[in-house]
Amino acid sequence: LAKTTQPISMDSYEGQEVNITCSHNNIATNDYITWYQQFPSQGPRFIIQGYKTKVTNEVASLFIPADRKSSTLSLPRVSLSDTAVYYCLVGDGNSGNTPLVFGKGTRLSVIA
Amino acid sequence: SQTIHQWPATLVQPVGSPLSLECTVEGTSNPNLYWYRQAAGRGLQLLFYSVGIGQISSEVPQNLSASRPQDRQFILSSKKLLLSDSGFYLCAWSTPGQGRDTEAFFGQGTRLTVV
Repeated sequence: LAKTTQPISMDSYEGQEVNITCSHNNIATNDYITWYQQFPSQGPRFIIQGYKTKVTNEVASLFIPADRKSSTLSLPRVSLSDTAVYYCLVGDGNSGNTPLVFGKGTRLSVIA
Repeated sequence: SQTIHQWPATLVQPVGSPLSLECTVEGTSNPNLYWYRQAAGRGLQLLFYSVGIGQISSEVPQNLSASRPQDRQFILSSKKLLLSDSGFYLCAWSTPGQGRDTEAFFGQGTRLTVV
């Protein structure tokens, strides 16, 4: 799996847009980029996945530049309930045999 | 729809006692299955993953073992628990191939305290 690097922590005020960037310089051709959210004492929850360009769902947007060496998770108008740890994961989505290794994640704290 | 069941939710065990945590998945066939451990305030550590019955890959050599006796059943075991085995254990599954290997779904977890 490609190694990922994320900021350890971020702070934001309620109502702001939050962008969390993940670096994955050695991403492979078959690798997908996947983001998860984890609240305390719960398992991670899948947020969004992309391969290139931009992906948007009801929760977030994922921006991936042409070289795919980084990605940015965008959370629009965050609320206190978005306080969580966010993980970026890069791996082969088609191999059928992919160990899912999570990095340290980014701890987002939303302030009122 | 697919669901994942993991039990028990909490467990307190003495040092040296055995461990068995079970995870089952419903609504899908031939899933990839994973066991993770998360120490307090730390990240997720992949312990084992399985791509099929009887096929187990170990990521971290330690005091634990895993087995997959049925397609949708994944068991984490230990013969003798250590204090360092305390943590939050999570089971997860994903659909192999079709771009979905990295789209994993997690159980509610088991908080294990070894005393």
